[in-house]
Amino acid sequence: AQSVTQLDSQVPVFEEAPVELRCNYSSSVSVYLFWYVQYPNQGLQLLLKYLSGSTLVKGINGFEAEFNKSQTSFHLRKPSVHISDTAEYFCAVSAVSNDYKLSFGAGTTVTVRA
Amino acid sequence: GAGVSQSPSNKVTEKGKDVELRCDPISGHTALYWYRQSLGQGLEFLIYFQGNSAPDKSGLPSDRFSAERTGGSVSTLTIQRTQQEDSAVYLCASSPSGGEAKNIQYFGAGTRLSVL
Repeated sequence: AQSVTQLDSQVPVFEEAPVELRCNYSSSVSVYLFWYVQYPNQGLQLLLKYLSGSTLVKGINGFEAEFNKSQTSFHLRKPSVHISDTAEYFCAVSAVSNDYKLSFGAGTTVTVRA
Repeated sequence: GAGVSQSPSNKVTEKGKDVELRCDPISGHTALYWYRQSLGQGLEFLIYFQGNSAPDKSGLPSDRFSAERTGGSVSTLTIQRTQQEDSAVYLCASSPSGGEAKNIQYFGAGTRLSVL
């Protein structure tokens, strides 16, 4: 089984400042990694994914994440945030084997202030 | 094209009543998933359908929960004899069958269930 730990439940940040959301995972098998964003009263939208290849992945809205296998981490970063980035962010993992169930972290609420 | 569609968007019911939640996946997607998002438990996997294979029901929390998928498309999640702890947002997702894209799940906006 896989598990995900998001180390920060809330992250307040000023507009145009950088932000990093931390995610660590645990798994005995190879995994795929994802970050999803949930805006208020909406479903989950995929921000970016790591399936294979380059460990630095770029997603939508200027976000990027780096897969670090030795540290079992997949931290999400954005160099300059906007008010519109205020949302809840979820890190998720699924096994590379024929098991597509996503295991989610508890989420990180990002609040961007002017 | 259209995304994953869920209905109703909100449902209020009385304890003990049965409810049905509907999910219409993206056209052509063979895999369909149900998740539950609640304050105390976060996002939890409930059930997974893939084509005509037997569904993976390992995440259903009790025998009051069931789901079916008719014709490989629309799915209905049924909760019988609802309890207050069933109050949550129920999210549906779908994914295609081939290539790397099969590993990416696309989510609907969810159904917010409130059990009074």
